[in-house]
Amino acid sequence: RKEVEQDPGPFNVPEGATVAFNCTYSNSASQSFFWYRQDCRKEPKLLMSVYSSGNEDGRFTAQLNRASQYISLLIRDSKLSDSATYLCVVNPLAGYSTLTFGKGTMLLVSP
Amino acid sequence: DGGITQSPKYLFRKEGQNVTLSCEQNLNHDAMYWYRQDPGQGLRLIYYSQIVNDFQKGDIAEGYSVSREKKESFPLTVTSAQKNPTAFYLCASSIGGSSTDTQYFGPGTRLTVL
Repeated sequence: RKEVEQDPGPFNVPEGATVAFNCTYSNSASQSFFWYRQDCRKEPKLLMSVYSSGNEDGRFTAQLNRASQYISLLIRDSKLSDSATYLCVVNPLAGYSTLTFGKGTMLLVSP
Repeated sequence: DGGITQSPKYLFRKEGQNVTLSCEQNLNHDAMYWYRQDPGQGLRLIYYSQIVNDFQKGDIAEGYSVSREKKESFPLTVTSAQKNPTAFYLCASSIGGSSTDTQYFGPGTRLTVL
């Protein structure tokens, strides 16, 4: 089983739609979880950290399910500018920042 | 402006040549990292350093070398021993080396071997 798995997409949605991505991870001892956003041919940028209780930042909501070992990202009211690849990132080691990246899920928002 | 800079943005190299990629940060971060990204692939860790004069191998260190003589600088050398060096190289830094510390990325260097 791959360490961090994501559906590569692309997810094609119209503006205003709600879209959700899931990501599964294999190491049950993983400590930290993040969603990064990567635009085409650019560097990844932190979108949000994922906390055990779930967290929301504007139109974005992240959830963690430790029992099933997955994290999710929900985007409401999609904008054209949300078009990007969303990377699921897991830190499997307590005390050390060695991130494991998923391959990413591509989102395309159309007018 | 605080941030991470990488240079050059694009780099072309002939087979058999060593090449050094620059990474500088003025965020006063202790930890720095080098990743490689291939098309359709996730980022893979090459080397990381949690403190000056110390660094550790990541998952794919073979054919690469690094140094960390200054807190703000973490150059990566791609040697001729790296069999498939064409890739997008990303440098990152974090305030410390803790598992919860956010990593911030530089704009990357695209290396092409001719």
